[in-house]
Amino acid sequence: GAVVSQHPSRVICKSGTSVKIECRSLDFQATTMFWYRQFPKQSLMLMATSNEGSKATYEQGVEKDKFLINHASLTLSTLTVTSAHPEDSSFYICSARQTGGREKLFFGSGTQLSVL
Amino acid sequence: KQEVTQIPAALSVPEGENLVLNCSFTDSAIYNLQWFRQDPGKGLTSLLLIQSSQREQTSGRLNASLDKSSGRSTLYIAASQPGDSATYLCAAAGGTSYGKLTFGQGTILTVHP
Repeated sequence: GAVVSQHPSRVICKSGTSVKIECRSLDFQATTMFWYRQFPKQSLMLMATSNEGSKATYEQGVEKDKFLINHASLTLSTLTVTSAHPEDSSFYICSARQTGGREKLFFGSGTQLSVL
Repeated sequence: KQEVTQIPAALSVPEGENLVLNCSFTDSAIYNLQWFRQDPGKGLTSLLLIQSSQREQTSGRLNASLDKSSGRSTLYIAASQPGDSATYLCAAAGGTSYGKLTFGQGTILTVHP
């Protein structure tokens, strides 16, 4: 089946630094990718929709200047958490929709971000 | 705004038992309803996807049903095994975009030998 690789799986950083998370579709092209985050004991919440070659669409309440999304190719989307603070500590996970494929979405393995 | 609720929050059963996980959603204008499995520290594995026009889907020991009018879906697991232990999530896809999922908080399932 289709594989989505997300890296890193875990990152610990100091407050104020920026962290980049990569989401790659390994064996298929993904025009659209989605970024979610999950706080402890809460649901996964959609943050933004990433479209190849265009600006991402952010959900209400998500700061686009803080969570920078770049989808420069059909196989790679990146999420950069800028000037991270402890409240940004969360589990971030991406999903990819196969271009021309059916509705099934493929998820990465997630990134656990801890900001000290 | 779509809201998805899962009951129970946690479930512990002995091996071999049949079980049902429940999911309810507030907005019936969905594209599809999906069930996922999440293992600790790992991503999501898609289990079943039910289109809005369908009533149920089956895969092996899993059967998922969908009743849009009542805003409910159930996941039935037959003959549970310890390897089924995981968090099960249901997610409703938005009415116009199947990629925008609204997730429930999940049911933590433990199947003990």
